[in-house]
Order: sequence, then structure tokens, then C-alpha cells
Amino acid sequence: TQLLEQSPQFLSIQEGENLTVYCNSSSVFSSLQWYRQEPGEGPVLLVTVVTGGEVKKLKRLTFQFGDARKDSSLHITAAQPGDTGLYLCAGGDTDKLIFGTGTRLQVFP
Amino acid sequence: DTGVSQDPRHKITKRGQNVTFRCDPISEHNRLYWYRQTLGQGPEFLTYFQNEAQLEKSRLLSDRFSAERPKGSFSTLEIQRTEQGDSAMYLCASSPRTVTNYGYTFGSGTRLTVV
Repeated sequence: TQLLEQSPQFLSIQEGENLTVYCNSSSVFSSLQWYRQEPGEGPVLLVTVVTGGEVKKLKRLTFQFGDARKDSSLHITAAQPGDTGLYLCAGGDTDKLIFGTGTRLQVFP
Repeated sequence: DTGVSQDPRHKITKRGQNVTFRCDPISEHNRLYWYRQTLGQGPEFLTYFQNEAQLEKSRLLSDRFSAERPKGSFSTLEIQRTEQGDSAMYLCASSPRTVTNYGYTFGSGTRLTVV
């Protein structure tokens, strides 16, 4: 069974701080995606990374795929209250995604 | 493009009753997925369709669960003889091609509460 463990599980920070969320697995994935989910809504795709070592930037968010394609990280610079939500990593497994355990981020003004 | 629609948004039912949820994917998307999510956790895969064919079912999908996608358009997920452990958010997602490259577009989900 493929599992994706995220850490930390919860993160509560002040506006302007930096943070990193980690997504780890013992399995190799063909791609890895990050989603953000707000309460009462479905997850929304942020980014897809497919190549080992790949780094993608989306404004204040930086995503990295591990060289061995087993892990990924999401770094947010100068967090804002609008970044609050549940962050989910998801690994590609044949034609479906396996989701991680989630990191709940709360950014206080 | 109106996105992925799910109906109803909320459902409260008594234990033992049957419930059915509907998902309308983005019209150009031939892949449709059902996931279940409990509070604060990541979504768990239930099943998926490519057009009208159901290609994979999770072991989470007990005999009480059945999903259909007639004509490869909308899909329904039925739960028979609901139990309290079925209480969760049921998410539908669609994808145009290989999900590992294109990702999912999710609906807003149906929150089921079994009392």
C-alpha cells in the first residue's frame, strides 16, 4: 500500500513568517501534485511536478520534487491569512492519485 | 466550463437508510473519480471511471456501495443500509486525460451525516 505522510500535521503561524511542509513516502511516484482545500470545499490543484529534483515557483510558494521522486516539499514565504487551509500532496499511481495525510495551516494577522 | 457539480451538498440520514449522490463532471473530461474524506484527513480513493467503464474499485468500497456512470456522463454513488461510519465528505473529481499530468478538478463535495 502506498502511503504519503505529511508533516507537520498542524501549523499555526503569524502573518509574514515562512514555513515548509513536507510530504514523504517509501514509494516512487510518476508525479506529485499539491492541492489546497478550504473548509466545505473540494481541493484545488496548485502545482504538478514530474521530474526528480524539479523546482516550481508559484508567487510566494515554492514546490520541490525529491531526486528519487519519493518526497516533496512546499515552502511558503511571508505567509498571509489567505494562505490558511488544508494542504494536500498527492502522488500519481497509474491513473489515480493517492493523497497524503494533510497539513492544516492557520495564518493569523 | 461550469466545473464539477455535486448534489446534494449536505445529506442527513438515519442509520439503515439508502442514499444516492450525483456528480456532473466537466463535459470534456472522460475520467471521473470518487473519494471519501473524513475531517482533517486526506481524501481516500473509492473508485474511478473512464467513460462508462468502472476501471478500479478500492477495498474501501464494501458491498453496500455502488457507483455507476451511464453513458459516460454524470455518475451516481449509492450507499445502502447506511452506518454511522459512513459519515464523511464524498468528493467527486474529473480529469481530461492522464491524471498524473493533468490533475483533478474537484466538486464541492457532498457531506453525509448518518444519525
